[in-house]
Amino acid sequence: DVKVTQSSRYLVKRTGEKVFLECVQDMDHENMFWYRQDPGLGLRLIYFSYDVKMKEKGDIPEGYSVSREKKERFSLILESASTNQTSMYLCASSLRGENNEQFFGPGTRLTVL
Amino acid sequence: AQKVTQAQTEISVVEKEDVTLDCVYETRDTTYYLFWYKQPPSGELVFLIRRNSFDEQNEISGRYSWNFQKSTSSFNFTITASQVVDSAVYFCALSSTRGYQKVTFGTGTKLQVIP
Repeated sequence: DVKVTQSSRYLVKRTGEKVFLECVQDMDHENMFWYRQDPGLGLRLIYFSYDVKMKEKGDIPEGYSVSREKKERFSLILESASTNQTSMYLCASSLRGENNEQFFGPGTRLTVL
Repeated sequence: AQKVTQAQTEISVVEKEDVTLDCVYETRDTTYYLFWYKQPPSGELVFLIRRNSFDEQNEISGRYSWNFQKSTSSFNFTITASQVVDSAVYFCALSSTRGYQKVTFGTGTKLQVIP
């Protein structure tokens, strides 16, 4: 069964902490994505990677960075967490190409106090 | 810029009723792809269907059907004889063929099917 896994389902951090969210896929997909999901705003793309060490900014990259050192792993980093980064974070992967569906992980609900 | 609008925030229906979820999109591309995803209460989004901009044929899969109309930039989703298991948030999405393969999601429609 193909899978996208995320390191934590729930995470609580303090303002100013550095936060790492990990995502791993076992489908050999080229593309990987990080979204945040907020009520009334749907899914908004934070960053996207189409290959190892490659990344592109999405719609809301401010306050975030990413790392993709291996094809199967895509990390989202909050350099200094703030309360407005409290959200549900979703990782997804897909084959290269705009016509391919994305496979999603279960999400990480991050609370920043 | 591309945009997806799902004007219905929440819909409640009684089991066995039919329900249509609306999706209207904007794009400057002539070639693009439209998707529907389902997010059940467990949280994980699941792909339902993909349609490319050159294929305006409607599609039916069991109780689900999709109506793509380029003239009105709409890609609506109908569930026939709804069931409690259909309760979920449904997202419509648009994929660009320009640049990298960015997907724009709508804000979602929460469907509650009441037994």
